[in-house]
Amino acid sequence: DTAVSQTPKYLVTQMGNDKSIKCEQNLGHDTMYWYKQDSKKFLKIMFSYNNKELIINETVPNRFSPKSPDKAHLNLHINSLELGDSAVYFCASSPRGEGSTEAFFGQGTRLTVV
Amino acid sequence: AQSVTQLGSHVSVSEGALVLLRCNYSSSVPPYLFWYVQYPNQGLQLLLKYTSAATLVKGINGFEAEFKKSETSFHLTKPSAHMSDAAEYFCAVYGQAGTALIFGKGTTLSVSS
Repeated sequence: DTAVSQTPKYLVTQMGNDKSIKCEQNLGHDTMYWYKQDSKKFLKIMFSYNNKELIINETVPNRFSPKSPDKAHLNLHINSLELGDSAVYFCASSPRGEGSTEAFFGQGTRLTVV
Repeated sequence: AQSVTQLGSHVSVSEGALVLLRCNYSSSVPPYLFWYVQYPNQGLQLLLKYTSAATLVKGINGFEAEFKKSETSFHLTKPSAHMSDAAEYFCAVYGQAGTALIFGKGTTLSVSS
């Protein structure tokens, strides 16, 4: 069983469209995240949720909206897609989001905006 | 805020040679530190972590790292590189208030035969 799974793995879409990426974890973790990895492989935290409550909302355009229907799911919805949104988006989870607890990552969603 | 700096964006070694990937942290209080590996087109996988139990930490695939408070470092090493070690390596630490892992800029390891 995959611990952190996200779908789709690849997403190609046109500018201006709205798209969603889904993430589910079966580890029983309280904290979930979305990270963005750019073309230079730099990983930047976008959002962090703890028990469905938003903890971190980094300087991300408000076209990005996370939604956590329950503790095991954290979806990412993106409105009015722009060329600069092209990147790999990673979902992750951790038991507490602090201390010595590592984060577990999904396989990533490669978003290409054309 | 806590942060990590990875020195060297690209490291090239020959198969069988020593691998040394550098990571320095910025914190007055020794933090918990992590090394992750990312193989092409895959997610991140934990290699090892420092939790203050021991300064020399052994991880998967023959990697280890030594925490040195005097040098604020947590360098990753492997005695003998293998072709399969070619990947992107990230050092990480929890940010302020321990809310999310903050990653270094990564080091690409290339291994030649």
